[in-house]
Amino acid sequence: AQSVTQPDIHITVSEGASLELRCNYSYGATPYLFWYVQSPGQGLQLLLKYFSGDTLVQGIKGFEAEFKRSQSSFNLRKPSVHWSDAAEYFCAVGTLSGGYNKLIFGAGTRLAVHP
Amino acid sequence: NAGVTQTPKFQVLKTGQSMTLQCAQDMNHNSMYWYRQDPGMGLRLIYYSASEGTTDKGEVPNGYNVSRLNKREFSLRLESAAPSQTSVYFCASSVQGGGGTDTQYFGPGTRLTVL
Repeated sequence: AQSVTQPDIHITVSEGASLELRCNYSYGATPYLFWYVQSPGQGLQLLLKYFSGDTLVQGIKGFEAEFKRSQSSFNLRKPSVHWSDAAEYFCAVGTLSGGYNKLIFGAGTRLAVHP
Repeated sequence: NAGVTQTPKFQVLKTGQSMTLQCAQDMNHNSMYWYRQDPGMGLRLIYYSASEGTTDKGEVPNGYNVSRLNKREFSLRLESAAPSQTSVYFCASSVQGGGGTDTQYFGPGTRLTVL
């Protein structure tokens, strides 16, 4: 069965520190991978996505993610975190199911940023 | 463009009451989705509409009904609300329903409490 695991429920980093959020997926075919961010009280905003090609993808707000097929991972990174990055981050895998785009979400990682 | 809009933003119901959550998109998307978000569980698909005139069940459809009123609007109805339906509800839309690569765009959410 398809699934997405985000092993870290909460992460706290200091402003200016680097960040890596982990995501592992289980899917038999080529995965289509997404990272979304949800600021407090807001909807989900797409950060970046991977469909094919270069395994290092760049997104908005200075984020990047690297697809590693051998590890079934799609970790999100940012070299220097800003206080405004405090939010909840969701990894998702897109699959074709019954003719529609099905998104399977991880449980999310809540990021806190200390000044 | 407003993107995906949802009304209301907040709602409190008593057990057994009914209500309809409204969703509209102005991006000329064909597919629309309803999710619920519960702590520690990510987002789970309730119903989706791959195109105007069609609706199908998602992962957690029990207790809900939907109507795709036209291409822009997709409503979610709770006929007899239960405390287990306390959640945050998100509507999303995408250009087309197939392929797995389709990016979904989310509304700001409706926070529903059932007492």
